[in-house]
Amino acid sequence: AQSVSQHNHHVILSEAASLELGCNYSYGGTVNLFWYVQYPGQHLQLLLKYFSGDPLVKGIKGFEAEFIKSKFSFNLRKPSVQWSDTAEYFCALTTDSWGKLQFGAGTQVVVTP
Amino acid sequence: GAVVSQHPSRVICKSGTSVKIECRSLDFQATTMFWYRQFPKQSLMLMATSNEGSKATYEQGVEKDKFLINHASLTLSTLTVTSAHPEDSSFYICSARGRGVDTQYFGPGTRLTVL
Repeated sequence: AQSVSQHNHHVILSEAASLELGCNYSYGGTVNLFWYVQYPGQHLQLLLKYFSGDPLVKGIKGFEAEFIKSKFSFNLRKPSVQWSDTAEYFCALTTDSWGKLQFGAGTQVVVTP
Repeated sequence: GAVVSQHPSRVICKSGTSVKIECRSLDFQATTMFWYRQFPKQSLMLMATSNEGSKATYEQGVEKDKFLINHASLTLSTLTVTSAHPEDSSFYICSARGRGVDTQYFGPGTRLTVL
């Protein structure tokens, strides 16, 4: 069975700092990878996704992620965070045509002014 | 963008009662809807997948007789928690996907508290 692991459960950083959140998965076949964000009191929103092609994916709000197949990784990055990036970030994958998402445990990111 | 709503946003009920949660896709036809459960400070766990007009497919360990899912139309799916108990208290989230669309759109969730 496939699984998704996120290395950091809680990250605190200052505004303008760079952010990188780790995500690794275990699955031997083809995967589709996602990063979702959940702002306080709001629903999950899609930040970006990777299905195929260029392994460097750019998403909304200045986020990007890189798929490294050899490392089974899909790390999320943002060069300079803002206070409004305070949220919980979830890495997820699908492996079937139904699109059933398997989520990582999530990383709570707190950006201090 | 695609919008998914859930109703109610919050419900408190007594142990032994049943609770129905609605999930609606407001501006697109949802051929597939998913129901997730999220415990405090934990990730989302998929409970079941439903396709319009057919029976839901439940994930291992999810009791189909306890969590009744109906996907009667292309814009509405319901989750009924039957004979709810305190351990069913959780945050229930639905998502919806349109035909040929590879992205799921999430509802805002329903906080269920069983006393």
